[in-house]
Amino acid sequence: GDSVTQMEGPVTLSEEAFLTINCTYTATGYPSLFWYVQYPGEGLQLLLKATKADDKGSNKGFEATYRKETTSFHLEKGSVQVSDSAVYFCALSSGYSTLTFGKGTMLLVSP
Amino acid sequence: KAGVTQTPRYLIKTRGQQVTLSCSPISGHRSVSWYQQTPGQGLQFLFEYFSETQRNKGNFPGRFSGRQFSNSRSEMNVSTLELGDSALYLCASSIGTGEGETQYFGPGTRLLVL
Repeated sequence: GDSVTQMEGPVTLSEEAFLTINCTYTATGYPSLFWYVQYPGEGLQLLLKATKADDKGSNKGFEATYRKETTSFHLEKGSVQVSDSAVYFCALSSGYSTLTFGKGTMLLVSP
Repeated sequence: KAGVTQTPRYLIKTRGQQVTLSCSPISGHRSVSWYQQTPGQGLQFLFEYFSETQRNKGNFPGRFSGRQFSNSRSEMNVSTLELGDSALYLCASSIGTGEGETQYFGPGTRLLVL
């Protein structure tokens, strides 16, 4: 079945550092890939998505590229802020309205 | 547009009781999915409803059930509650007609079973 593996956290960075959170997937066919973010006490917010190979999703300075050859969708940001502290989830959808999530990676950014 | 709303936001129940959670999707969305989030298991898919029919189902026992109404609002029910049912229950809505559509999540209902 489908699965998503993402790096375990927490990831601890200083403000303005470069961020990478690794995500790899296993799926049949050609899934769509997503990054969601969850702030404390809240639901999930879509951060970015990509629907086909080589697509790059981007939003609020975050980027991820759909790499079919390495089955990866790594999240990057050039300069993190304290306000980026949250839990980040990589997910895939290979059908209608069903998401398979990774375990989540907590990001802690200190001033 | 208003976002996905879930009621109640917090709930405390005791073992053996049953509970009903409600979700109102974004206007125009016909698909509603439910997920359970726990520290140990992470985010797990429960089921999805589209146009009042269950279209997909995750690997949960029959104590977990749901339904969708003609206005796309959805409810999920958990009968004979167990301690392990303590979790954040999230619902998400989407238009529901295309593969890989974005799902928009509500704030969740936090259920504590004592």
